[in-house]
Amino acid sequence: DAKTTQPPSMDCAEGRAANLPCNHSTISGNEYVYWYRQIHSQGPQYIIHGLKNNETNEMASLIITEDRKSSTLILPHATLRDTAVYYCIVRGFTYGQNFVFGPGTRLSVLP
Amino acid sequence: GAGVSQSPSNKVTEKGKDVELRCDPISGHTALYWYRQSLGQGLEFLIYFQGNSAPDKSGLPSDRFSAERTGGSVSTLTIQRTQQEDSAVYLCASSPVGTGWGGGTDTQYFGPGTRLTVL
Repeated sequence: DAKTTQPPSMDCAEGRAANLPCNHSTISGNEYVYWYRQIHSQGPQYIIHGLKNNETNEMASLIITEDRKSSTLILPHATLRDTAVYYCIVRGFTYGQNFVFGPGTRLSVLP
Repeated sequence: GAGVSQSPSNKVTEKGKDVELRCDPISGHTALYWYRQSLGQGLEFLIYFQGNSAPDKSGLPSDRFSAERTGGSVSTLTIQRTQQEDSAVYLCASSPVGTGWGGGTDTQYFGPGTRLTVL
């Protein structure tokens, strides 16, 4: 699976949009971009995933660049409960592949 | 609906004892994964089940670790002769898909984990 690069930490003011970047310059054509987050002492929580089109759900939006070498997770109105480690994962097309979690980005939402 | 559940939530044991950790996946999910997370570290893949069989055991750190899944549902991870370095949070995940192509949509849903402390 392609490797991802994320900033180690970010701050965001409560109520503002949080934009979390991810670089995946070696992504191949059949690999999806997944985002998970892990709030302290809890299991990872699925947020969103996409292949090449931008995606939106009730939690977030995922913007993937046209060349697919990078993406941005957007939390439109961050709350204190969004403070967590966010993981960007690129994953291939084979069933049963485990997710490879890197160090992620520690997002701190500040009051 | 109910998510992935794991039991116990916390387990403290003495070095050398055996422990069993249980995972109840989301009903109908055919794939099940075990990971572990040491303090301050990322997730480490342990084993993957498709139904009752385990096509990928590559992540099991030693032969003290074993896992089984019965009835295509509940899974048990067993650690024999526990060591202090086994202390970690053990996480289980399940996904709804079967075998074949199209795994890009194989979203995994995680349980809350079992925190194992080996004294």
